[in-house]
Amino acid sequence: EAGVAQSPRYKIIEKRQSVAFWCNPISGHATLYWYQQILGQGPKLLIQFQNNGVVDDSQLPKDRFSAERLKGVDSTLKIQPAKLEDSAVYLCASSPATGGKLFFGSGTQLSVL
Amino acid sequence: ELKVEQNPLFLSMQEGKNYTIYCNYSTTSDRLYWYRQDPGKSLESLFVLLSNGAVKQEGRLMASLDTKARLSTLHITAAVHDLSATYFCAGLPNSGYALNFGKGTSLLVTP
Repeated sequence: EAGVAQSPRYKIIEKRQSVAFWCNPISGHATLYWYQQILGQGPKLLIQFQNNGVVDDSQLPKDRFSAERLKGVDSTLKIQPAKLEDSAVYLCASSPATGGKLFFGSGTQLSVL
Repeated sequence: ELKVEQNPLFLSMQEGKNYTIYCNYSTTSDRLYWYRQDPGKSLESLFVLLSNGAVKQEGRLMASLDTKARLSTLHITAAVHDLSATYFCAGLPNSGYALNFGKGTSLLVTP
């Protein structure tokens, strides 16, 4: 069974630039999550989708972060403009249903200089 | 908001020894997860604990859940080097939809 796919694996940008991350969840998984993991900390939820609708985006900094999940499958997370404190690993996860076990992708490591 | 606290945050232990990692959470949760993360890798699910008194074991790791005490433990028996990793616990709030993670326990097993 294919796992959660994410790209790119690494990204280096300068502050105030824009960046986008892509995620393809496990086939059939209705729920998709984006988490931010800052070095030395646990993952923090940014946004959760159920199919193509947003369930929880209360911790998403909406002035600079946006996310969408078109057709209830793939998802993109965008940061515009990036700040130094956005340097982190961005993890995508999916699960068959809300509250179920999460399957994580390999993550995108973002460095903002 | 469900807050999850783990301790210790760092643990260095000798091979062959036993130890326990503790995970306390702040509000009602009937579902607790343990994940493992190797350096530079993503998170791998270890255990899902779904009810009070639940106990799960795999190899040298055993996890338990006490919902009344709002406490989960991850017990390591006769540690080996391959267990060196960071271990996260995560709780699902009864009123929420997504997991809240602790800061993780970085475990190093030495000869």
